[in-house]
Amino acid sequence: DTEVTQTPKHLVMGMTNKKSLKCEQHMGHRAMYWYKQKAKKPPELMFVYSYEKLSINESVPSRFSPECPNSSLLNLHLHALQPEDSALYLCASSHRTGANTEAFFGQGTRLTVV
Amino acid sequence: AQSVTQPDIHITVSEGASLELRCNYSYGATPYLFWYVQSPGQGLQLLLKYFSGDTLVQGIKGFEAEFKRSQSSFNLRKPSVHWSDAAEYFCAATREYGNKLVFGAGTILRVKS
Repeated sequence: DTEVTQTPKHLVMGMTNKKSLKCEQHMGHRAMYWYKQKAKKPPELMFVYSYEKLSINESVPSRFSPECPNSSLLNLHLHALQPEDSALYLCASSHRTGANTEAFFGQGTRLTVV
Repeated sequence: AQSVTQPDIHITVSEGASLELRCNYSYGATPYLFWYVQSPGQGLQLLLKYFSGDTLVQGIKGFEAEFKRSQSSFNLRKPSVHWSDAAEYFCAATREYGNKLVFGAGTILRVKS
């Protein structure tokens, strides 16, 4: 099983809503990532978790709050988002966080903030 | 600064023709290199990777890539393109703890019949 599963596939939320994106993998990977991809742009790293601990935060606004409850799950909690936060949010995982390891991506959650 | 450049934003090829997508990197030391493919609205699928060793690497779906240190390049090739190959292709590199992938801007491949 080389799948990274993200739910929901689509999400529309208002600027005052609170919602969460979920990501799950069962490959035994110990590193998990959130990337943000705006339309017609490449993905950009937001957060890295290594062994369930946050190891990298790429200066992401606090309205995005990641959580890694266990080695298989990664959440992204959303609160008070802005319309410019509309994007495809991609979760990825890899065996570890060393550079010589490939990342497997989920299908993404298409987020629209209204 | 570390960067990955894909010079071609769009490429159109005829079905059955050969394909080469260009990728250049700028890193202090040779990074680890990847090619991903993305269909519209979908996630990224890893086509192939280069860590070390043989500079010609084989990937899935009949793709291959050649690492050339002297040219700081990692170009993706396919001898005969199929209509289903139409997608966006991203070259990516990483060379640091945290496995932060730096992506090129992407190349959109169109296949004409």
